[in-house]
Amino acid sequence: IAGITQAPTSQILAAGRRMTLRCTQDMRHNAMYWYRQDLGLGLRLIHYSNTAGTTGKGEVPDGYSVSRANTDDFPLTLASAVPSQTSVYFCASSDSLSSGANVLTFGAGSRLTVL
Amino acid sequence: GQNIDQPTEMTATEGAIVQINCTYQTSGFNGLFWYQQHAGEAPTFLSYNVLDGLEEKGRFSSFLSRSKGYSYLLLKELQMKDSASYLCAVMERDYQLIWGAGTKLIIKP
Repeated sequence: IAGITQAPTSQILAAGRRMTLRCTQDMRHNAMYWYRQDLGLGLRLIHYSNTAGTTGKGEVPDGYSVSRANTDDFPLTLASAVPSQTSVYFCASSDSLSSGANVLTFGAGSRLTVL
Repeated sequence: GQNIDQPTEMTATEGAIVQINCTYQTSGFNGLFWYQQHAGEAPTFLSYNVLDGLEEKGRFSSFLSRSKGYSYLLLKELQMKDSASYLCAVMERDYQLIWGAGTKLIIKP
């Protein structure tokens, strides 16, 4: 089934540990995104990638890094996790960042708890 | 500044009609989206408006007034499965999406 696969689904992590959230899509979409979703707030963009080999910072990039070695994969790394990074993380993709109807397809999410 | 406002929660009855409003103030406008998100699941695309007026898609319709910075999502013939959060998002001039916090819709029998 075409779509986006995220892993892990859920993780409890000690503060200070390094963590990588994985995201893979099989739709050959150019653009990919990482969002975090916190209660009472809208989705906030962490990092994005318009195409393989390029990345950009979103609204809340501090403490996170990404890479885009190929079209399909877009991992998100927390170098040293802090409790404020406790959140639900969604990976998404779209055909093009600048197309008119830039419809996003989301992964199922990764629930991260940092203690 | 950038701001998107939607009610936090709404309650409606099965079979009825509900209107979820969204007002926005953003730097530029390249379209407005509505997404549905069931609890514990990913958001899924419902509708896209870039021109003023009403877009109808089955039981769901979305309206846009760019001059008023206003949109609404209209859900007809409500079903229990429509219980979800509805997210309003505006695409700004640089094609970045700004998201509202979402409206949790509770459907009662």
